[in-house]
Amino acid sequence: QKEVEQNSGPLSVPEGAIASLNCTYSDRGSQSFFWYRQYSGKSPELIMFIYSNGDKEDGRFTAQLNKASQYVSLLIRDSQPSDSATYLCAVNMQDRGGYNKLIFGAGTRLAVHP
Amino acid sequence: DAGVTQSPTHLIKTRGQHVTLRCSPISGHKSVSWYQQVLGQGPQFIFQYYEKEERGRGNFPDRFSARQFPNYSSELNVNALLLGDSALYLCASSFSSGSLNEQYFGPGTRLTVT
Repeated sequence: QKEVEQNSGPLSVPEGAIASLNCTYSDRGSQSFFWYRQYSGKSPELIMFIYSNGDKEDGRFTAQLNKASQYVSLLIRDSQPSDSATYLCAVNMQDRGGYNKLIFGAGTRLAVHP
Repeated sequence: DAGVTQSPTHLIKTRGQHVTLRCSPISGHKSVSWYQQVLGQGPQFIFQYYEKEERGRGNFPDRFSARQFPNYSSELNVNALLLGDSALYLCASSFSSGSLNEQYFGPGTRLTVT
């Protein structure tokens, strides 16, 4: 089992629709969860982070966390063609030495079509 | 404020050579992490440094090493380059090394090994 799993996509949604991106993780002790957006040929850009169970909203983005199910999601409302990118889920995990490291999923490619 | 900066932007090396990549964190940030991203995958954790000390190491061979300087900038060194080391190398900056710290990425260095 991979530490952080995402569907690779592509997830295709029409402009104006809600895009739903999902992520599961293996470490029950993880405390912090991040969503990054990566355009082709560019570096990842942090768009959301969430530490507590429930929803966190920022503009058109909503992050949802369910620690019991080890599940985190990102909703993008009113999707725009400019949202077309790869979305990376990242989970903070501790190694055996107690040090923190950010573990990334392989990313979900989102395509928003006009 | 300036974001994370990395140099060089692109680099072409031959198998067996050595390479040094450089990173300057966001002003006020004391932690730097290094990641390797190959095409189609999420970034893979290599090292984290905080206050000039190593605070975590990923599953990379000893050919990979890093250090952090008093001004919090960092270098990643890779010896005896292999074709498989061709990737985008990303540096991420955070305020500290704890789990509740957001990491912000630089533009990356694209390394090609021929």
